[in-house]
This record gives sequence, structure tokens and C-alpha cells, in this order.
Amino acid sequence: SAVISQKPSRDICQRGTSLTIQCQVDSQVTMMFWYRQQPGQSLTLIATANQGSEATYESGFVIDKFPISRPNLTFSTLTVSNMSPEDSSIYLCSVQRGLSNTEAFFGQGTRLTVV
Amino acid sequence: AQSVTQLDSQVPVFEEAPVELRCNYSSSVSVYLFWYVQYPNQGLQLLLKYLSGSTLVKGINGFEAEFNKSQTSFHLRKPSVHISDTAEYFCAVSAYSSASKIIFGSGTRLSIRP
Repeated sequence: SAVISQKPSRDICQRGTSLTIQCQVDSQVTMMFWYRQQPGQSLTLIATANQGSEATYESGFVIDKFPISRPNLTFSTLTVSNMSPEDSSIYLCSVQRGLSNTEAFFGQGTRLTVV
Repeated sequence: AQSVTQLDSQVPVFEEAPVELRCNYSSSVSVYLFWYVQYPNQGLQLLLKYLSGSTLVKGINGFEAEFNKSQTSFHLRKPSVHISDTAEYFCAVSAYSSASKIIFGSGTRLSIRP
């Protein structure tokens, strides 16, 4: 299993500002994943964060809007930049463990509301 | 690339009735398949997974799923549901390689009526 802590658990932010979400894992992992879950929707992968290299972004997501840091093997941050109400979502950090790293574990998420 | 389709956005059933939540996937390579559950205001939890071997997979809370390669399906079943099974259920797929990213379906909301 994996214990994943995310901070903050929720926040209400003004449009035009930025929020940095932190994700801490209880042991070292090669890859960390950031997802977005918009209200009533499924999870959409934003990017994959590897330690020591730039994150790999999925189609529709760009580094200028969602910069990611991965300073070590147990920690990552996701910043939501220049926020608008459309960025209101739950943001989830995830790691994969188990046989062939197939089992995903998730943090409790950060519920972001942009006003 | 992989994709997954959950055919039902909402499934209402009566308590103690059987339920099937449908999932179909698309992939040009072999895949791993998963069902995750999200209880209200909680994070995601793995319900069960198919990696290889027996096509009938048993998970937690009495759920099971059957991998059908010819029909590219991985339907989730439970013979008798309880009120506590009320949740959102997500089918997911990943390519047959180490630490491949997981792609989620749109989710099925299971609501149990007493």
C-alpha cells in the first residue's frame, strides 16, 4: 500500500491567483501522477512527474498553466496558475505500486474553488 | 492508446438485488484492467484488478468482474447489494508495461434503494 498526504485539503481562491498543491508519499516512488476530477466527472490525467526530469503532460495540459516540481522521490507539487472558475476541481496525487506498478493509490485530493 | 467506456452513467437498484456495471475497453496492446470505487466525499479505492490468468476476478466487498477478451469487456457484478455500496464506480485500463499510466472511464453512479 501507500500513504499519500496532500495539502491543502481544500481552498477557495480568487481568479488570477495561483495555488500550489503538495503531495507527500510515505516511501520512494519513481513516478507520481497528477489528476483532475471536475465536478461530477471522471479523473483526467494532467501529467506524470519523474524525479530529475521535466514532467510529461497530457494533451490539453501545459506546463505554463500547471507547473510541476519533483525535487525528490517522495514529494511533488502541482501549481494551478492564473486561476479561473473553470479550474474549480478536485486535484489528486497518485502513485503506482504492486506487481509491475499496476496498482494506483490516491491521496484524498485537494478541492479547489475559484471565485 | 487505450480508452474505456462505461455504458451507464447511473444505475439505481433495490437493496439485496443483483447489479452489473458495464465496462468496455479499447486497446491495440494487452492491458491491465481495474475497478475503483469512490464513496461520497472520499478518495478512490481499488476494488479489484485483472492482470493475467483467470478471467474471473474477485475483489473486496463481494464484488467480482469477468475479463472477456473477445468482447473487450470487464463488467463488474455483485449478487446482492447493500446500502453501503452506494458510490461512484470507475473502470480503468493501462497498457501492459511497467508503471503505464492509468486511463479512467467516465464513472457509474450506483444508488441503492431500500
